[in-house]
Amino acid sequence: EPEVTQTPSHQVTQMGQEVILRCVPISNHLYFYWYRQILGQKVEFLVSFYNNEISEKSEIFDDQFSVERPDGSNFTLKIRSTKLEDSAMYFCASSESHRGTIYFGEGSWLTVV
Amino acid sequence: QKEVEQDPGPLSVPEGAIVSLNCTYSNSAFQYFMWYRQYSRKGPELLMYTYSSGNKEDGRFTAQVDKSSKYISLFIRDSQPSDSATYLCAMSPLNNAGNMLTFGGGTRLMVKP
Repeated sequence: EPEVTQTPSHQVTQMGQEVILRCVPISNHLYFYWYRQILGQKVEFLVSFYNNEISEKSEIFDDQFSVERPDGSNFTLKIRSTKLEDSAMYFCASSESHRGTIYFGEGSWLTVV
Repeated sequence: QKEVEQDPGPLSVPEGAIVSLNCTYSNSAFQYFMWYRQYSRKGPELLMYTYSSGNKEDGRFTAQVDKSSKYISLFIRDSQPSDSATYLCAMSPLNNAGNMLTFGGGTRLMVKP
């Protein structure tokens, strides 16, 4: 069964450092997303991406965040200068269409120290 | 008022019981309703996807949506210990820019052998 894959599964970084989380969405999907889940809290939407541009973003997705699809398969989330409160599980997801079901990856656990 | 509310549980039931999980929401723009299952430190796994009001059945799972009451339910028949997980409801409005999900906080279910 096709799946969304994410790397790394866990990353520890120092506050102020840049982090790039990588994702390979399901191959025929056209919409890509990043969500995050702080430990013990709700899964929260960060950003959606379609046709090589951001289609929607939440208030969490401020100037320190950016997304990119550098080639035909990868989708990345960059956090420019990490803060302690960025510690969370980051989920990449994809869907075939804007009404399609959203499939999530296993997540990248980011710890900022 | 929170957009999507879900009793956090834990809900503990004996094996074979019928489980009822519920969410209420406040945003009448929500049109798509989903239930995800999440094991500890893993990505959400889609269980059921429904559009607007009504029932949908898939194996041991039945999803119900009552838009007039802003209330959705997931029923699990013949529950198994392997069903022990956190169940997340999620919903989204209809839009052309992507499927931005709003999640409930999740209900932790424990099915005891």
